[in-house]
Amino acid sequence: GDSVTQMEGPVTLSEEAFLTINCTYTATGYPSLFWYVQYPGEGLQLLLKATKADDKGSNKGFEATYRKETTSFHLEKGSVQVSDSAVYFCALSDRTALIFGKGTTLSVSS
Amino acid sequence: EAGVAQSPRYKIIEKRQSVAFWCNPISGHATLYWYQQILGQGPKLLIQFQNNGVVDDSQLPKDRFSAERLKGVDSTLKIQPAKLEDSAVYLCASSPETSYEQYFGPGTRLTVT
Repeated sequence: GDSVTQMEGPVTLSEEAFLTINCTYTATGYPSLFWYVQYPGEGLQLLLKATKADDKGSNKGFEATYRKETTSFHLEKGSVQVSDSAVYFCALSDRTALIFGKGTTLSVSS
Repeated sequence: EAGVAQSPRYKIIEKRQSVAFWCNPISGHATLYWYQQILGQGPKLLIQFQNNGVVDDSQLPKDRFSAERLKGVDSTLKIQPAKLEDSAVYLCASSPETSYEQYFGPGTRLTVT
């Protein structure tokens, strides 16, 4: 079945460092891809999405490009802030419910 | 616009007891989902409703879990009897009928002792 694999954490960075969180997927169809974020004590929030190959999703300085040839959707940010500390989930959906990766914890220190 | 509401936020029960969770989706959202998130893992779908009909319940442990969505709005998820491995956060999400974007509630954290 469809699945999502993302890099294990925790990822620990200093403020203003470059962030990459790797995500790859396996799917039989042509899914939409998502990054969700869960801040401490809060619910899951959609960070960005891409619905077809070569689409780039972006929000709050985060970006991810839907790469069909490498089945990847890596999350990047050029300069992280302490407020970005959270758990990040990569997910896919092929017209049904979301299938999530295990999540990557990001901790940013000042 | 009000978000997805869930209650209770926390629940502690002993194994073999029963428990129920409630979800109120965003107004007008036809699709409602229940997910189970075990510590250290991503959420996993338990059941998906479209209006008041079940679309997918293939991963719902039907011997102990049940869910309903009366009148296509609110939903309840019940566990009876609970097991230790049911300790998790139970998330409710909703989406407009024609959109992939799902909006999540704050979740109910269940601890089974």
